[in-house]
Amino acid sequence: GEDVEQSLFLSVREGDSSVINCTYTDSSSTYLYWYKQEPGAGLQLLTYIFSNMDMKQDQRLTVLLNKKDKHLSLRIADTQTGDSAIYFCAESFDTGRRALTFGSGTRLQVQP
Amino acid sequence: EPEVTQTPSHQVTQMGQEVILRCVPISNHLYFYWYRQILGQKVEFLVSFYNNEISEKSEIFDDQFSVERPDGSNFTLKIRSTKLEDSAMYFCASRAYTDTQYFGPGTRLTVL
Repeated sequence: GEDVEQSLFLSVREGDSSVINCTYTDSSSTYLYWYKQEPGAGLQLLTYIFSNMDMKQDQRLTVLLNKKDKHLSLRIADTQTGDSAIYFCAESFDTGRRALTFGSGTRLQVQP
Repeated sequence: EPEVTQTPSHQVTQMGQEVILRCVPISNHLYFYWYRQILGQKVEFLVSFYNNEISEKSEIFDDQFSVERPDGSNFTLKIRSTKLEDSAMYFCASRAYTDTQYFGPGTRLTVL
């Protein structure tokens, strides 16, 4: 079945790079996403990658996909205190449903 | 930028009561979703809706739940007889033909 796993917590210093990791079990995942959730807020789409890509860069964000190991990572360059939030990895499949399966989220704490 | 909106932001109800959670998806979107997040847990898929009918539903979406698109703009989730374990944050999402789902800010449901 579908399962997405993430580490629960990451702490970095302001200005450092953050790397948030995610593993998934279903090799038929077609789309992989990163969402950000700030305290008391909804889910903000940060970026996504199609399964036929290895890397995607969008300003300070870099997504790396290792299909062989079913591993997805999100790198945030020059991490700021405003990046403190919970980051969710999610996957969906090339079916009519396209519902997302989420990981448990990684809480990123940025120390000034 | 268009966004998904949800009302109310917080709903408190007594066990056994009916609640209706409301969502206004982005206007040109065609696919609609409800997810829920029990405090401290993963975001879970409930149901997807397209062309005025349910496309797929999870095992969570039992007979106590129903969805409706009563007019051209609203998308509602009804829980007929709430239980304590229905307490959660409920997120509505919508997408166009692309695979990117946009989420609303959520409704926090508290069942007493």
